[in-house]
Amino acid sequence: EVQLVQSGAEVKKPGESLKISCKGSGYSFTSFWIGWVRQMPGKGLEWMGIIYPGDSDTRYSPSFQGQVTISADKSISTAYLQWSSLKASDTAMYYCARRVSMVQGVYYYYYMDVWGKGTTVTVSS
Amino acid sequence: SSELTQDPAVSVALGQTVRITCQGDSLRNYYGSWYQQKPGQAPILVIYGQNNRPSGIPDRFSGSSSGNTASLTITGAQAEDEADYYCNSRDSSGNQVFGGGTKLTVL
Repeated sequence: EVQLVQSGAEVKKPGESLKISCKGSGYSFTSFWIGWVRQMPGKGLEWMGIIYPGDSDTRYSPSFQGQVTISADKSISTAYLQWSSLKASDTAMYYCARRVSMVQGVYYYYYMDVWGKGTTVTVSS
Repeated sequence: SSELTQDPAVSVALGQTVRITCQGDSLRNYYGSWYQQKPGQAPILVIYGQNNRPSGIPDRFSGSSSGNTASLTITGAQAEDEADYYCNSRDSSGNQVFGGGTKLTVL
């Protein structure tokens, strides 16, 4: 069974650092991009960025560039999302998801077929 | 533009048909995908590509695309379909982008 298992809930203070994880199993971890998605309380899904564990090629959405770091350790099939200095506004649920890419005729399409259950991050003084 | 626009809320009578739409320039180049999210749960994929359903998704869910608009149609909406629905597409930078989401109410 293809799974993404995320690390547990975190409660941190402003200014602290944090690294959350997403471990893949049941498939070739190095062959699929892994994306990170933020959902602030009561709000919609926001795409943060994506990494290809095979070579660590990473892309960030403009809103998150410089705010977080996405990395991966292919030896243990795990992707990470980290902050160097948390803010209260980082309080949110964070999901990882596997991205699949396919070609149908002349069209390319991309979709996230497997999601982690999410990691709740609470930042409060 | 890498933005996707959805109506914030849509309602449908039980058993009737509802269409949820998503507009954005990236949809001219890439098929969108659709995700259902119920309160307290992670999103799940319901439609991808031209009109493909993952295993386990009822056939009352279907997708279509024309120009810069992708649509999700639920034919014969059920109470359990009440949820938030998000479209998603790849953008020109190689990343993905979500629409703002549509809250579906089944009356």
